[in-house]
Amino acid sequence: DVVMTQSPLSLPVTLGQPASISCRSSQSLIYSDGNTYLNWFQQRPGQSPRRLIYRVSNRDSGVPDRFSGSGSGTDFTLKISRVEAEDVGVYYCMQGTHWPLTFGGGTKVEIK
Amino acid sequence: EVQVVESGGGLVQPGGSLRLSCSGSGVTFSTSWMTWVRQAPGRGLECVAAVKQDGSVNYYMDSLKGRFTISRDNAKNSLYLQMNSLRAEDTAVYYCVRGRNMDVWGQGTTVTVSS
Repeated sequence: DVVMTQSPLSLPVTLGQPASISCRSSQSLIYSDGNTYLNWFQQRPGQSPRRLIYRVSNRDSGVPDRFSGSGSGTDFTLKISRVEAEDVGVYYCMQGTHWPLTFGGGTKVEIK
Repeated sequence: EVQVVESGGGLVQPGGSLRLSCSGSGVTFSTSWMTWVRQAPGRGLECVAAVKQDGSVNYYMDSLKGRFTISRDNAKNSLYLQMNSLRAEDTAVYYCVRGRNMDVWGQGTTVTVSS
């Protein structure tokens, strides 16, 4: 199975400051069609997960542009340019390239 | 409005069975892989099972050891998960999710396995 490793586990951030989450995969996530199926999800307290970013860097509809994704191969990053109160929650990376589909362990973003 | 609704969760004794259902409105299931993802209390997310658009290919978590069966009915825009020989470690919120890249999630249904 592809192991997805996220860091940090916990990320206290001051409102208005940037935040960055790292995700590394144990294998390359480049699929045979040339795409890299690395996705990012946000789970606010008490809610279902919501996809923010698909295929490394594409924002889903309605996702604020302060969220951005980058990376390639096995090394990926989610950045929040200026953290707002509504960004509190747990963030997961997930790979859709290899079966079984696997998630990172999650990064909890909280306000300092 | 896009809506995915799961049902069928509840309290069941160890060794018992449950059948989860999922239906979609404002969202088409037939053109996508469909997956079940679960989240144990206070834990992360794990993909339990997935089924291809035409139902011809399924994937399951290795640790399930044949206890769960995923199926779909495209005519009803529905997804199912038959869960047998349930164990305490199967206790979780189960989410119905569209696609192998998981773009649409339901609100989840809670399964509790306890005597």
